Amino acid sequence: DVKVTQSSRYLVKRTGEKVFLECVQDMDHENMFWYRQDPGLGLRLIYFSYDVKMKEKGDIPEGYSVSREKKERFSLILESASTNQTSMYLCASSPRSGSSYNEQFFGPGTRLTVL
Amino acid sequence: AQKITQTQPGMFVQEKEAVTLDCTYDTSDPSYGLFWYKQPSSGEMIFLIYQGSYDQQNATEGRYSLNFQKARKSANLVISASQLGDSAMYFCAMREYSSASKIIFGSGTRLSIRP
Repeated sequence: DVKVTQSSRYLVKRTGEKVFLECVQDMDHENMFWYRQDPGLGLRLIYFSYDVKMKEKGDIPEGYSVSREKKERFSLILESASTNQTSMYLCASSPRSGSSYNEQFFGPGTRLTVL
Repeated sequence: AQKITQTQPGMFVQEKEAVTLDCTYDTSDPSYGLFWYKQPSSGEMIFLIYQGSYDQQNATEGRYSLNFQKARKSANLVISASQLGDSAMYFCAMREYSSASKIIFGSGTRLSIRP
């Protein structure tokens, strides 16, 4: 079974802190994604990566950065956390595929609260 | 412009009844895939069913079926004989072939099954 793990289920940080959210997958997937989920807005893509050291901005990259130094690990960084970044963060991975079928496998999510 | 639209923020259904969750989409890419995910209160995203734009038949997976109406750009999820464990958030999503593995999600429908 595909396993996507996230470093924390719940996290509480203070405004201005630097926050690292870690995601690890064990299925040798090329693609990895970070989403944030807010009520009424669904999942919005922050950043994704299709290979080591490669990254592309999603729909809402402002205030975030990412790092992918190893294939299995994709980190989301909040350089200076703000209260409007309080949200559920979901990591996902998928294999590279030449077809439109490309199921994403999700981690359990990290609920981040910024005070 | 919103690419995936789920117009039902919440639904209540009696146990054992069938339920249809609506999803419409917008794309100019002739090759795309449509997905449905379930998110129970635990937070994990569970893949349910997939429909490719060139698939001739509607996808089915156990009690789940996808009512794909290409001309109307509609991809409704039908759950037959609903169970209490079906209570969850349901997300419709789409991947366009040209979009480098990105999946776009709708805002979700919260389904509650009454005993």
